[in-house]
Amino acid sequence: DTEVTQTPKHLVMGMTNKKSLKCEQHMGHRAMYWYKQKAKKPPELMFVYSYEKLSINESVPSRFSPECPNSSLLNLHLHALQPEDSALYLCASSQDGGSSSTDTQYFGPGTRLTVL
Amino acid sequence: AQKVTQAQTEISVVEKEDVTLDCVYETRDTTYYLFWYKQPPSGELVFLIRRNSFDEQNEISGRYSWNFQKSTSSFNFTITASQVVDSAVYFCALSGVGDTGFQKLVFGTGTRLLVSP
Repeated sequence: DTEVTQTPKHLVMGMTNKKSLKCEQHMGHRAMYWYKQKAKKPPELMFVYSYEKLSINESVPSRFSPECPNSSLLNLHLHALQPEDSALYLCASSQDGGSSSTDTQYFGPGTRLTVL
Repeated sequence: AQKVTQAQTEISVVEKEDVTLDCVYETRDTTYYLFWYKQPPSGELVFLIRRNSFDEQNEISGRYSWNFQKSTSSFNFTITASQVVDSAVYFCALSGVGDTGFQKLVFGTGTRLLVSP
C-alpha cells in the first residue's frame, strides 16, 4: 500500500484567513515532505521532516508553518497568504528519514489552494 | 549543480503509436538516482520507476520501457502502443547530494503527453 492522503482536495481562502492542510501516511515512512507546484511547473520542495523533526526548510516565507504531530501526520498551517501562493500543494513520504535518503518519494493527490 | 532537462514540452500522438520521452541530466555525484513520475490531470504524482547510477540495464514493465545511458547522461522513457489513459504530464527527476549537502529530488520541467483516440 503506497497511499498518501491529503485533505482538503480544494481550498479557497482570503488573505486574512488561517487554514491548515493535512497529510497522512500509514506506510511506516519516517520522512515526509511538502512541495508547492504552480501551474505548468514542476514541484518545488518546501519542507522536509525526518523522524518528526524539521530537517530542511527551503527558505519558505513564515506565512507557511509546517507541523509534524507524529510520524504519520504532517500539517501545513497557512496564515496571511498572498494570491501568488495559489498552487497545488503536494505531500510526499519516503521510508528513510535520513538527510542522505535516496528512497522513493510517494506523493499524495494534493490540495488545490486558491488565495483571493 | 544538479539539473534535469526535458526538452519536449508537449507531444501529441494517436492511440497505438509508440512515443519516447527524453530526459537528460547533469550531476557531479558518482552515486545518484533517477526517477520517472506521471501526473494525470487529477494532480497526484504517480511513481513509475527508480534507477540507481550503477545499474544501466534497461527495464521493461508492460508497455513501458526505460533506456538509461550513462555515457550520454540520458534516461529516456518509451511507451509502446500508447493509450488515451497515458495522457498526462511526465516528470523525470534526479536525486543526489549535489552542492546542497543533502539528498534532494530535482525535477525536470515535465513533458505533457496527449494521446488522442
